[in-house]
Amino acid sequence: KAGVTQTPRYLIKTRGQQVTLSCSPISGHRSVSWYQQTPGQGLQFLFEYFSETQRNKGNFPGRFSGRQFSNSRSEMNVSTLELGDSALYLCASSLGAGVEQFFGPGTRLTVL
Amino acid sequence: AQRVTQPEKLLSVFKGAPVELKCNYSYSGSPELFWYVQYSRQRLQLLLRHISRESIKGFTADLNKGETSFHLKKPFAQEEDSAMYYCALSYNTDKLIFGTGTRLQVFP
Repeated sequence: KAGVTQTPRYLIKTRGQQVTLSCSPISGHRSVSWYQQTPGQGLQFLFEYFSETQRNKGNFPGRFSGRQFSNSRSEMNVSTLELGDSALYLCASSLGAGVEQFFGPGTRLTVL
Repeated sequence: AQRVTQPEKLLSVFKGAPVELKCNYSYSGSPELFWYVQYSRQRLQLLLRHISRESIKGFTADLNKGETSFHLKKPFAQEEDSAMYYCALSYNTDKLIFGTGTRLQVFP
């Protein structure tokens, strides 16, 4: 069974730009969650989607948004990028709440 | 607010020594507790969860509700155990609240 895939793996953007990251969950998984990982703040929860509905949202500004499609693939968007948005963005999928989550390799975003 | 605390950033032991990675949490309800591990250049992966009460790769963790702790233990560390370990909490959702992680170094 193929694992969680994330594209692109690396991104370099400049301040003020926007970016879209993509996550393809494991086949059959309907739950997708996003996390931001930085050296200073560690792993922080961004969003959780299940069957195209956002079930939870972390404490991030409105510049961070996401969505999930009918095939369970998910995207997250960050608008008006700031230097502090530089991070590894991780996506995880699972069959549902409380079940083991499987993480993708992450997208490394660098904002210059 | 829900919080997970891992007091040690780095834990260094020699091969064969016992290991205990500490994790304390704050949550008023009945959370689910997990240990995730990230080996060098690999993805974050689940090591074990309290609800399954099983031993994985020789590691065990017991949920102590009185002390609100979920410490990870292994009686004899191996070099291949060297990795970053994260304790995490969730409650009825897939939202995971992670601790800051502990890097375990096992020297030969």
